[in-house]
Amino acid sequence: GAVVSQHPSRVICKSGTSVKIECRSLDFQATTMFWYRQFPKQSLMLMATSNEGSKATYEQGVEKDKFLINHASLTLSTLTVTSAHPEDSSFYICSAISPLGGREGEQYFGPGTRLTVT
Amino acid sequence: RKEVEQDPGPFNVPEGATVAFNCTYSNSASQSFFWYRQDCRKEPKLLMSVYSSGNEDGRFTAQLNRASQYISLLIRDSKLSDSATYLCVVRFNDYKLSFGAGTTVTVRA
Repeated sequence: GAVVSQHPSRVICKSGTSVKIECRSLDFQATTMFWYRQFPKQSLMLMATSNEGSKATYEQGVEKDKFLINHASLTLSTLTVTSAHPEDSSFYICSAISPLGGREGEQYFGPGTRLTVT
Repeated sequence: RKEVEQDPGPFNVPEGATVAFNCTYSNSASQSFFWYRQDCRKEPKLLMSVYSSGNEDGRFTAQLNRASQYISLLIRDSKLSDSATYLCVVRFNDYKLSFGAGTTVTVRA
């Protein structure tokens, strides 16, 4: 099946610094990727839709200047959390739809990045 | 109001038991429905799609009631490996998915 990787898997940073998270589709090209955030015991919340070669589409309430998304190639999307604060600590997960097939509606998720801001 | 609501559980059941739980969704225009499984601190993985006529996949049975806007999942002959959080997921008219917060199931020996 389609494989999506994320890097890093875990990151701890100091308040005020920026953190970049990479999402890669390893065996397929993904024109669209999605970025989610999940707080403990809560649902995954879609942050933005990342479109290759164009600007990302952000969900209501998500600050586009704080969460910078770049989808410069068909296999890589990056999420940069700028000027991170402790409330940004969360589990960030990306996903992609594979054109290789799979079950209807299946999004392939990366393993997630656990961000802790101290 | 949340788009997708689930009973968080936990449902603690012995091996071999049957466990069932529901979720409700708020948007009547929702088009596609899924159950995903998420293990602790891991990414979600698709368990099964849910069709209007109801469908089975091995020990798992999913039902959809559009009139009442709820989806159910039933697990028969529970295994220890079924312990996980089950996410109810709804899609509207594009690829964007809305997730419930999950129902936790713990199967004990």
